[in-house]
Amino acid sequence: GAVVSQHPSRVICKSGTSVKIECRSLDFQATTMFWYRQFPKQSLMLMATSNEGSKATYEQGVEKDKFLINHASLTLSTLTVTSAHPEDSSFYICRVRGADYGYTFGSGTRLTVV
Amino acid sequence: KQEVTQIPAALSVPEGENLVLNCSFTDSAIYNLQWFRQDPGKGLTSLLLIQSSQREQTSGRLNASLDKSSGRSTLYIAASQPGDSATYLCAVHDRDDKIIFGKGTRLHILP
Repeated sequence: GAVVSQHPSRVICKSGTSVKIECRSLDFQATTMFWYRQFPKQSLMLMATSNEGSKATYEQGVEKDKFLINHASLTLSTLTVTSAHPEDSSFYICRVRGADYGYTFGSGTRLTVV
Repeated sequence: KQEVTQIPAALSVPEGENLVLNCSFTDSAIYNLQWFRQDPGKGLTSLLLIQSSQREQTSGRLNASLDKSSGRSTLYIAASQPGDSATYLCAVHDRDDKIIFGKGTRLHILP
């Protein structure tokens, strides 16, 4: 149990375009989803926390208008990087918390903006 | 604000040696501590999770200890193998359900 699917695993996009990353819990209901990013040789940093049906809570310094998070169902959360720029190139990973407070990480998405 | 520090940042050791990776955290009010492995460009593989009430956990050649009062954890790897080469991340789970990661130790096992 507790399987999380994150797609795509890798994406290359042109500067100025938007990219959507999906995080899906396959066999359990996700009460909360967390989005992290990791720059090279840096820690994974929490970007935002989302609960199903409500607005995401963003960490300080994360632009909510640039990183759009939608958590419309108990099994799916999406992170959209809008108007991506090369400095947004990073590794993005979701963490999913189930009703029993256990959690599972997605497999991550490597975003490269050219 | 919780901060997690991992020392060393990078480590190269010959195959077969035992080694210790260190992790320290500033706020001892944690829910648990977890060690992960991350291969280049890949996601996270959970290695060991130590609850705040525990002192250590073992899995195969890996042993992780936790001294919550002093804000320290170590990951001991016995009889290292080239396949152990990866980045090892220490993460603390605080009581607000936030997970704070260290920057990791990049481990290279020399054949």
